[in-house]
Amino acid sequence: QSVLTQPPSASGTPGQRVTISCSGSSSNVGSNTVNWYQQLPGTAPKLLIYNNYQRPSGVPDRFSGSKSGTSASLAISGLQSEDEADYYCAAWDDSLNGWVFGGGTKLTVL
Amino acid sequence: EVQLVESGGGLVQPGGSLRLSCAASGFTFSSHEMNWVRQAPGKGLEWLSSISSGGTTISYADSVKGRFTISRDNAKNSLYLQMNSLRAEDTAVYYCARGGALGVWGRGTLVTVSS
Repeated sequence: QSVLTQPPSASGTPGQRVTISCSGSSSNVGSNTVNWYQQLPGTAPKLLIYNNYQRPSGVPDRFSGSKSGTSASLAISGLQSEDEADYYCAAWDDSLNGWVFGGGTKLTVL
Repeated sequence: EVQLVESGGGLVQPGGSLRLSCAASGFTFSSHEMNWVRQAPGKGLEWLSSISSGGTTISYADSVKGRFTISRDNAKNSLYLQMNSLRAEDTAVYYCARGGALGVWGRGTLVTVSS
């Protein structure tokens, strides 16, 4: 059971906008920033969003992040087939003194 | 090019030990906190341990505390994970990841614990 809660799956058609939620608690999402990672099949995770909404260089602006209270969201607009991947949220947990991850959301592009 | 390359994985019997290494290049290794994260087959990501840039501050997940030891050698641009008393549930791909945002990841090394 993951500390952060994500839906196990999400889907959309090309061009659509999809959102993935991440729910935590006051010791993690509520008091620290949230990062999002994309893991394409058979590859290592890649940082997609950091500090709740910031994008590393090279990440398309189709990807956006937000946070409110103990919940965060990742939005992907203009969905493309290459976006089909697993997405994970993560935050530092002050009580556990370590990083905690969501269980991951498998995004399918129909 | 910023790069992290893990090595040292393999097949080990339950109760055995293994030492993983992570070689860093393309950035000032000594300036960055480093982490180990693992992923069991078909499962999600699990953070294991973090070490500060100077090696003085270390933290572990409860699942590995007392069995795994993280360390680093800034002169060799290398991060290590000594794994003892290995169990079947430690079977996973082990990744090293850079920094407080886990911003750069290696490709991982597979550890299989089985008799």
